[in-house]
Amino acid sequence: RKEVEQDPGPFNVPEGATVAFNCTYSNSASQSFFWYRQDCRKEPKLLMSVYSSGNEDGRFTAQLNRASQYISLLIRDSKLSDSATYLCVVNMEGQNFVFGPGTRLSVLP
Amino acid sequence: DTAVSQTPKYLVTQMGNDKSIKCEQNLGHDTMYWYKQDSKKFLKIMFSYNNKELIINETVPNRFSPKSPDKAHLNLHINSLELGDSAVYFCASSQVWGDDGYTFGSGTRLTVV
Repeated sequence: RKEVEQDPGPFNVPEGATVAFNCTYSNSASQSFFWYRQDCRKEPKLLMSVYSSGNEDGRFTAQLNRASQYISLLIRDSKLSDSATYLCVVNMEGQNFVFGPGTRLSVLP
Repeated sequence: DTAVSQTPKYLVTQMGNDKSIKCEQNLGHDTMYWYKQDSKKFLKIMFSYNNKELIINETVPNRFSPKSPDKAHLNLHINSLELGDSAVYFCASSQVWGDDGYTFGSGTRLTVV
């Protein structure tokens, strides 16, 4: 089983839709979790950290489920500019980040 | 000001050549990294440097060697380039090793012909 798994998509959704991505991780000792966004031919950029209590930033909500070893990202009221690849990132203390393969989102007009 | 800058942005070279990619960060971060993103878009760690000390060296060929003259710079030197080395190479930095988010450079697209 791979360390971090994501559905590669693509997820094609209309503007204004709500879309959710899940990411599963294999190592129960993982401690830090993040969502990164990568636009085509650009570098990954930190979208948000994922805390045990969950966190929300505007239209974006991230949740962590340690028991089932997955994190989720919910995007409400999708915009055209949300089209990108969303990378799940998992980290254990003293280890490098492990990036998932990414989920591609296309928001359609 | 660019936080993490890499040069060159594009690099096209022939098999067997030796090339270097430079990276500089002005964030005052303690740790720098090199990642490789292949054609399947997987981001794989290559090296990490913390205060000029190599702390993890993943199983990359020894043709790849990181060089850090100071904590703001981490250059990547590649000897005897092969076709399979073609990829996008990203430099990144973080304040504390693995404890918070990374800031990435804009990437170097390497094509070996």
